[in-house]
Amino acid sequence: AQSVAQPEDQVNVAEGNPLTVKCTYSVSGNPYLFWYVQYPNRGLQFLLKYITGDNLVKGSYGFEAEFNKSQTSFHLKKPSALVSDSALYFCAVRDPLGGGFKTIFGAGTRLFVKA
Amino acid sequence: DVKVTQSSRYLVKRTGEKVFLECVQDMDHENMFWYRQDPGLGLRLIYFSYDVKMKEKGDIPEGYSVSREKKERFSLILESASTNQTSMYLCASNTGGGGQHTQYFGPGTRLTVL
Repeated sequence: AQSVAQPEDQVNVAEGNPLTVKCTYSVSGNPYLFWYVQYPNRGLQFLLKYITGDNLVKGSYGFEAEFNKSQTSFHLKKPSALVSDSALYFCAVRDPLGGGFKTIFGAGTRLFVKA
Repeated sequence: DVKVTQSSRYLVKRTGEKVFLECVQDMDHENMFWYRQDPGLGLRLIYFSYDVKMKEKGDIPEGYSVSREKKERFSLILESASTNQTSMYLCASNTGGGGQHTQYFGPGTRLTVL
């Protein structure tokens, strides 16, 4: 069965410091992996995805993520955090062998960036 | 720019009422989805539809039904609302099959059942 784990409920980082939001997954085949961000009282916005190819994926707002097959991880990173990055972040996985319709979301990690 | 709209941002209903949540997308997407979002649980799939009049159960369909009469519109129905259906409801859409396509989300409807 597919699953996604975001081991940290909350991540605190100072503005200007690098940030990492962790995600690990379990899926039977080669996964499709996604990161979404949710600002207060808003829907989810797409940040980036890994489908195939280069393991380092670059996305919106300076975020990037690295697909690590051996560690089954897809951690979200940014070299220099901004206060405006404070939001709820969701990692998601899709198994293409299952038709690709069902997306499993992690529980979410709340990121606080202090000025 | 893809736009997914939901009929209400906030709804307050009484136990036992029939509740309709509407979702409209303007990008001619084949697939539409309804999720509920609860703290600590992430998003859980209620139902999805890959074509007009087609629907598939997600992980938590009990107490819900859906309707898709037109390609751009996907409705979620709570036949008899209960307090445990108090939640944030998110609609999403994307194109095609195969799973590589990004989902686009509406702003959400926060439903409170009293």
